[in-house]
Amino acid sequence: ELKVEQNPLFLSMQEGKNYTIYCNYSTTSDRLYWYRQDPGKSLESLFVLLSNGAVKQEGRLMASLDTKARLSTLHITAAVHDLSATYFCAVDPAGGTSYGKLTFGQGTILTVHP
Amino acid sequence: ETGVTQTPRHLVMGMTNKKSLKCEQHLGHNAMYWYKQSAKKPLELMFVYSLEERVENNSVPSRFSPECPNSSHLFLHLHTLQPEDSALYLCASSQDRFLPYTFGSGTRLTVV
Repeated sequence: ELKVEQNPLFLSMQEGKNYTIYCNYSTTSDRLYWYRQDPGKSLESLFVLLSNGAVKQEGRLMASLDTKARLSTLHITAAVHDLSATYFCAVDPAGGTSYGKLTFGQGTILTVHP
Repeated sequence: ETGVTQTPRHLVMGMTNKKSLKCEQHLGHNAMYWYKQSAKKPLELMFVYSLEERVENNSVPSRFSPECPNSSHLFLHLHTLQPEDSALYLCASSQDRFLPYTFGSGTRLTVV
């Protein structure tokens, strides 16, 4: 059974600081996703990482994937208040064609304060 | 507006009631999903409908019953729920298995 673990689960950051959220998973993966959820709202897709060494950047967020270590990171640069949200990673295991295999991490609640 | 619309946004129901959650997508996606989001737990897949198959999580109690009349609509029928079923129920759709899901805003369900 695929397990996906994020850490930290809670992150309180000061504006302007940098930090990294980690996503570890337990089996070989085809691809990894990062989503963002604002309070009371739906999940929004941020990044899809498809191969070892993949790096994607959007604004102050950069995601990377190391399939050998089974690890993805979401790096936040110079945090601003608007980044406050819950961030989820989700992993699709390698092989097979069936739907419904995506497994989500617990989510990291990020709060950026002045 | 995310392209996936869920109604109602909030629902309070008694344990003996029967209600239905509705999800609609006009993105032309081929798969639709129900997820349960509880406090302090990862998102839990309940059901998937795609053109090829229906997948269900065997741990979902029979008091939850999905219905997918066509590729644009998905329902979750609820009956004799328990208080622990209170959660945010999210609908999602995707073009195929590998593309990112588009999620709806969810239905916040409270069972009293």
